[in-house]
Amino acid sequence: TQLLEQSPQFLSIQEGENLTVYCNSSSVFSSLQWYRQEPGEGPVLLVTVVTGGEVKKLKRLTFQFGDARKDSSLHITAAQPGDTGLYLCAGGGKLIFGQGTELSVKP
Amino acid sequence: GAGVSQSPRYKVAKRGQDVALRCDPISGHVSLFWYQQALGQGPEFLTYFQNEAQLDKSGLPSDRFFAERPEGSVSTLKIQRTQQEDSAVYLCASSLESGGTPRSYEQYFGPGTRLTVT
Repeated sequence: TQLLEQSPQFLSIQEGENLTVYCNSSSVFSSLQWYRQEPGEGPVLLVTVVTGGEVKKLKRLTFQFGDARKDSSLHITAAQPGDTGLYLCAGGGKLIFGQGTELSVKP
Repeated sequence: GAGVSQSPRYKVAKRGQDVALRCDPISGHVSLFWYQQALGQGPEFLTYFQNEAQLDKSGLPSDRFFAERPEGSVSTLKIQRTQQEDSAVYLCASSLESGGTPRSYEQYFGPGTRLTVT
């Protein structure tokens, strides 16, 4: 059974700080996706990583896919209150989701 | 273009009632997925359609849950004789799934239906 473990589960930081969220598995995934979800809304796709070792940047967000395609990370630089939300990694055809990282950025 | 829409957005049902949740996927998307999300958790897979064919229903928690997509577009998730443990957000997602590239498998989610069983 493929599982995705995310850490940390909760993160509360001040505006301007940097943070990293991790997504780990013992299984190989052909691709991993990162979503952000706000209260009362569905997850919104941020990025898909496909190639082992791949790094993708989306403004202040940097996504990395591990060389062995078993893990991924999301790094946010200079976090802003608008980054607050639930960050989810997911992989597989019928998406398997991690349990999510609840990020709160305080002004 | 329109995204995935779901209705109703909120549903309160008394224990034992039947409910029907509707999903309108993005036009032209071949695949449609249903997920269940408990508070503070990631979504969990329920079932998957490719066009009108239900290819995987391994995540449906019991035979009280039934999903259909008769014409390969709109889908309905039905829950019979609702129980309190059915209270959750039910998310629908669609994907293009053609071309065989990883990006074609990316799923786009609706806003969800929050079901509360009292």
